[in-house]
Amino acid sequence: QSALTQPPSASGSPGQSVTLSCTGTSSDVGGFNYVSWYQQRPGKAPKVIIYEVSKRPSGVPDRFSGSKSGNTASLTVSGLQAEDEADYCCSSYAGRNNPNWVFGGGTKLTVL
Amino acid sequence: QVQLVESGGGVVQPGRSLRLSCAASGFTFRSYGFHWVRQAPGKGLEWVAVIWSDGSNEYYADSVKGRFTISRDNSKNTLYLEMNSLRVEDTAVYYCARGVYDLAYWGQGTLVTVSS
Repeated sequence: QSALTQPPSASGSPGQSVTLSCTGTSSDVGGFNYVSWYQQRPGKAPKVIIYEVSKRPSGVPDRFSGSKSGNTASLTVSGLQAEDEADYCCSSYAGRNNPNWVFGGGTKLTVL
Repeated sequence: QVQLVESGGGVVQPGRSLRLSCAASGFTFRSYGFHWVRQAPGKGLEWVAVIWSDGSNEYYADSVKGRFTISRDNSKNTLYLEMNSLRVEDTAVYYCARGVYDLAYWGQGTLVTVSS
């Protein structure tokens, strides 16, 4: 049950695009299409913004998009806005033999 | 609308027990599986446990296996987490989340502090 790897920080200017990575193994990210991304603001609960690799819940702007290649999942935020500044955490189902879920350590996204 | 409200957190001494609750409303509780996920102060999220919609299956993180028990009462629309033999490293905000493969809705969390 090893955590997924995310860079601790990322930044971009308003209007730019930024891509956050989430690296796992063939036992989690690479093995299943159950990767989710969460946005978390200080003192608040996580909010899902991408599920099943690339699906967006209703109400989430289409500026947020998800993808996966091999053992690495990615979240792209296009047209950065000040309100996008938050922590972003990925998770994956990792249950080939014993169902479990793993999370990344989170990336702090700063809008410059 | 979907609401999940955790309760039962507090300060407890190492080795003692605590039971968390998660009251659900706004949807058909018995149709969904649920997770407990925790977040230590200043740290990332850590998966704790999951229970299937009918309670037929439960799975745990290695860090809590044998000490924590997830359960549910579909007649009360409530999810539980029984925590025994608590350790200092169990200190965290504990969230309940709806869904099995996709944790679509989260509660606001309840803080558990394990300290002597």
